[in-house]
Amino acid sequence: NAGVTQTPKFRVLKTGQSMTLLCAQDMNHEYMYWYRQDPGMGLRLIHYSVGEGTTAKGEVPDGYNVSRLKKQNFLLGLESAAPSQTSVYFCATLGYGETQYFGPGTRLLVL
Amino acid sequence: DQQVKQNSPSLSVQEGRISILNCDYTNSMFDYFLWYKKYPAEGPTFLISISSIKDKNEDGRFTVFLNKSAKHLSLHIVPSQPGDSAVYFCAASDGFFSSGSEKLVFGKGTKLTVNP
Repeated sequence: NAGVTQTPKFRVLKTGQSMTLLCAQDMNHEYMYWYRQDPGMGLRLIHYSVGEGTTAKGEVPDGYNVSRLKKQNFLLGLESAAPSQTSVYFCATLGYGETQYFGPGTRLLVL
Repeated sequence: DQQVKQNSPSLSVQEGRISILNCDYTNSMFDYFLWYKKYPAEGPTFLISISSIKDKNEDGRFTVFLNKSAKHLSLHIVPSQPGDSAVYFCAASDGFFSSGSEKLVFGKGTKLTVNP
């Protein structure tokens, strides 16, 4: 039981490049979330999904797109990366007792 | 506008003493509160929670107190241990299932350092 996993762990991009972050869970949870964490800013919600085939915007959705084609996967895409998107990205799922379970994070550096 | 505020960016305590981390919120609709702990290079992990119908919840060394009238909650760690050194996030929800809200609002975190 791996819980929540994220791929890749670390990535360096040049401004304008695109990439996709993958979140996978094996807990059969319906709800999945993407956050970014920046120094002094806490965790900010980018997008979330309440089930397969659904997505919704969070607090800071601009510059990102998401897809939830399969229940166990939640993808976060950056179409044209900007230095302001340098951050640590966390995926989470919602489980029993209204507790969110987080993945280990993806560090992204945009040059 | 910050709905969940952790006004102390850092806290340092001696091993064996009590650590008190504070959190204030502004949204009176919040009815469920959680504390998460985060070590460097790891994802946050759930620590303890409390619903608005309680004013205290205890789990081992960790106790969360909720003062609804003051819109304030606190996390007490007794006794503090060096392994408790981490960043602690306060989070709040206005009801994951009862009202259809599925989102948490996080504070900016407090870095706790427990000195041996």
